[in-house]
Amino acid sequence: SQTIHQWPATLVQPVGSPLSLECTVEGTSNPNLYWYRQAAGRGLQLLFYSVGIGQISSEVPQNLSASRPQDRQFILSSKKLLLSDSGFYLCAWSAWDRGTDTQYFGPGTRLTVL
Amino acid sequence: KQEVTQIPAALSVPEGENLVLNCSFTDSAIYNLQWFRQDPGKGLTSLLLIQSSQREQTSGRLNASLDKSSGRSTLYIAASQPGDSATYLCAVMFSGGYNKLIFGAGTRLAVHP
Repeated sequence: SQTIHQWPATLVQPVGSPLSLECTVEGTSNPNLYWYRQAAGRGLQLLFYSVGIGQISSEVPQNLSASRPQDRQFILSSKKLLLSDSGFYLCAWSAWDRGTDTQYFGPGTRLTVL
Repeated sequence: KQEVTQIPAALSVPEGENLVLNCSFTDSAIYNLQWFRQDPGKGLTSLLLIQSSQREQTSGRLNASLDKSSGRSTLYIAASQPGDSATYLCAVMFSGGYNKLIFGAGTRLAVHP
């Protein structure tokens, strides 16, 4: 069976510090991978998605970047965090299940920027 | 602009009630629509996925319907239980938005004994 891991589970960082969140998927190959952010009181917003190693699409301009160094590894980064980067970050993967694209989500990382 | 709206934002019901959560979307050209459950501080659990060619999907006490022409979906929960308390999210994959799910803000459900 497939599993998705995210770490850390929670993170408190000062403004201006760097960020690295990691997501890994097990039990599948060549998945599509996604980073979402859920800000307080708002819905989930897609930040990045990747259809393969080194292939990253950005959905919104922002202070963040993403990388996919391996098939089942997706990393979200920032060089200098802003207060507005606080939120709940969710990684997801998808595969063509029953002929359509079901997305499966990880447990999330709660990021607080102070 | 492609948007997804969920009504109500919050709902509190006594145990045993049947209830309906609503989701509306602005563009009828969709690939699929998915309902998720999110417990506080947790990730999302997929409940039901309705393909654009389908009218409804059922899983246990849950039934989701899709009416593309009116841009609406409903999630029906039968005989609600306290364990159903969570936030329910509707997400739409619009045609031309490959891989991209647009989420509603969610309905926060509380079922009290």
